[in-house]
Amino acid sequence: AQSVTQLGSHVSVSEGALVLLRCNYSSSVPPYLFWYVQYPNQGLQLLLKYTTGATLVKGINGFEAEFKKSETSFHLTKPSAHMSDAAEYFCAVSDRGWGKFQFGAGTQVVVTP
Amino acid sequence: DAGITQSPRYKITETGRQVTLMCHQTWSHSYMFWYRQDLGHGLRLIYYSAAADITDKGEVSDGYVVSRSKTENFPLTLESATRSQTSVYFCASRPGLAGETQYFGPGTRLLVL
Repeated sequence: AQSVTQLGSHVSVSEGALVLLRCNYSSSVPPYLFWYVQYPNQGLQLLLKYTTGATLVKGINGFEAEFKKSETSFHLTKPSAHMSDAAEYFCAVSDRGWGKFQFGAGTQVVVTP
Repeated sequence: DAGITQSPRYKITETGRQVTLMCHQTWSHSYMFWYRQDLGHGLRLIYYSAAADITDKGEVSDGYVVSRSKTENFPLTLESATRSQTSVYFCASRPGLAGETQYFGPGTRLLVL
């Protein structure tokens, strides 16, 4: 069975500072990995995903994530936070069969001026 | 407009009543999913469907029923609503194989009194 752990339910960052959101997974085989963002009262929007190939993946809005198999991690980073980055972020893993998602509990990001 | 829509966006009902949440997608995606979002739990899979007339249970399917007679529609029915089913419900669709992006609808906020 797969599981996803997001460290920190709330993260506060200053505008212009590094954003780092941690995601660790457990799975018997390397899964597909995703980061989604949710703005208030909206659905989830894909930021980036890793399926195969290069382990550093770049997404929208300046975000990137690195798949580290040895650490079973897929941490999300952005070098410089913007006020518009305030949202909830979800890490998800997908099995390679049916592709069912297992989501982490989410991390709420607050950006302070 | 193309995309994935959900209706109603907001619903208040009473315990014991039957409620149906609608989901419609215009992409002809094969896979469709229903999730519920609760604080501290992220999103949890209720049901999924690989094609018309092919559905299967997710991790929290008790008390819910789905059908998929047409590719574009995937209604979710709460047979006898309970207060524990108060939640935000998201529908999602995916073109095909695992690893492809899931696209989410805007959600339905359901309150069961």
